[in-house]
Amino acid sequence: NAGVTQTPKFQVLKTGQSMTLQCAQDMNHNSMYWYRQDPGMGLRLIYYSASEGTTDKGEVPNGYNVSRLNKREFSLRLESAAPSQTSVYFCATTGWGTYEQYFGPGTRLTVT
Amino acid sequence: ELKVEQNPLFLSMQEGKNYTIYCNYSTTSDRLYWYRQDPGKSLESLFVLLSNGAVKQEGRLMASLDTKARLSTLHITAAVHDLSATYFCAVDLIQGAQKLVFGQGTRLTINP
Repeated sequence: NAGVTQTPKFQVLKTGQSMTLQCAQDMNHNSMYWYRQDPGMGLRLIYYSASEGTTDKGEVPNGYNVSRLNKREFSLRLESAAPSQTSVYFCATTGWGTYEQYFGPGTRLTVT
Repeated sequence: ELKVEQNPLFLSMQEGKNYTIYCNYSTTSDRLYWYRQDPGKSLESLFVLLSNGAVKQEGRLMASLDTKARLSTLHITAAVHDLSATYFCAVDLIQGAQKLVFGQGTRLTINP
């Protein structure tokens, strides 16, 4: 039982390149989230998905797209990376009727 | 716009001492979360406070919630070095959706 997994763990991109961050959970949870954490700051919500097939914007959605592929997987795509997107990205999940969010290990992304 | 503010942002204390971290938020919410983050690691859920007057304790940590004052506290009793970490509080942006808004974090260093 791995909980929440994210790939890759580290990534370096050049400005303008694209990439997809992957998140998978084996907790049978409905809701999944993508956050970013900039140095010395708290997390900010990028997108969220209440269930398979639905997505909604969070605080900072610009420059990102998401896909809720199935109940287990929620991916985050950067179409044209910018240095301002250098950050640590965390995926999280929570189940119906529970209140705790369980976080993945994070992806450290650097855009040069 | 929901704002969540923590203070202090940095706290250096000696082992054996007591201290309190404060979390203020700007709009009505009766659900508040506390997380711990070790350097380079993901977030670990500490407490979920679900109603006014809620108090939860785990070891040397105790959290409370006053929804009327829009204030939560995390109290550390007889601090030990292992409690050194960054502590975040978070509040639901939309109740039930668990779209969390995080505070900036309090970096706690406990010296022998």
